[in-house]
Amino acid sequence: EVQLVQSGAEVKKPGESLRISCKGSGYSFTSYWISWVRQMPGKGLEWMGRIDPSDSYTNYSPSFQGHVTISADKSISTAYLQWSSLKASDTAMYYCARLYLDSSGYYFDYWGQGTLVTVSS
Amino acid sequence: SYELTQPPSVSVSPGQTARITCSGDALPKQYAYWYQQKPGQAPVLVIYKDSERPSGIPERFSGSSSGTTVTLTISGVQAEDEADYYCQSADSSATGVVFGGGTKLTVL
Repeated sequence: EVQLVQSGAEVKKPGESLRISCKGSGYSFTSYWISWVRQMPGKGLEWMGRIDPSDSYTNYSPSFQGHVTISADKSISTAYLQWSSLKASDTAMYYCARLYLDSSGYYFDYWGQGTLVTVSS
Repeated sequence: SYELTQPPSVSVSPGQTARITCSGDALPKQYAYWYQQKPGQAPVLVIYKDSERPSGIPERFSGSSSGTTVTLTISGVQAEDEADYYCQSADSSATGVVFGGGTKLTVL
């Protein structure tokens, strides 16, 4: 069974750093890209970026480029989303999702349960 | 930047047909995908490649495409279908992902 299990909720102060994780199981972790998706309170889904775990190649949405870092450790089948200096506006639910690619396009076939990040002084 | 446009809300009575649209200039060239998200849950794929239904998704969910608009149709809506629905496609350069703003389906 394919599973993406995310790390638990976090409460941080502005200016602090944070790394959240997403562990894949039940499939070949290096065969599928992993994406991160933000959902701010009461708002819609926003694609942040993606990583190819086989070689750690990344590309980011222009909206998130330079604000977050996506990485992966294929030896432990885990992807990460990292902030160096959090802002209150980073308060949101963050989902990782497996990106299925074929010749016709790409979409998210499996999702993690979400990690709630709260940034407050 | 490329956008997909959805109506903010759609309301239907149980047993009726709900239609949720998604418009985008690149949709004639890129497939669209639909996700259902219930409160407190992660999204779930309900339609892929415009009109294909993943296993486990009820037959009342269907998708279609015409020009720059794709449509998610839910026939015989049930109370359990009340949720937010998002369309998704590739961006115009086909290197990134874009989501529509989401449509809240209310079952009256």
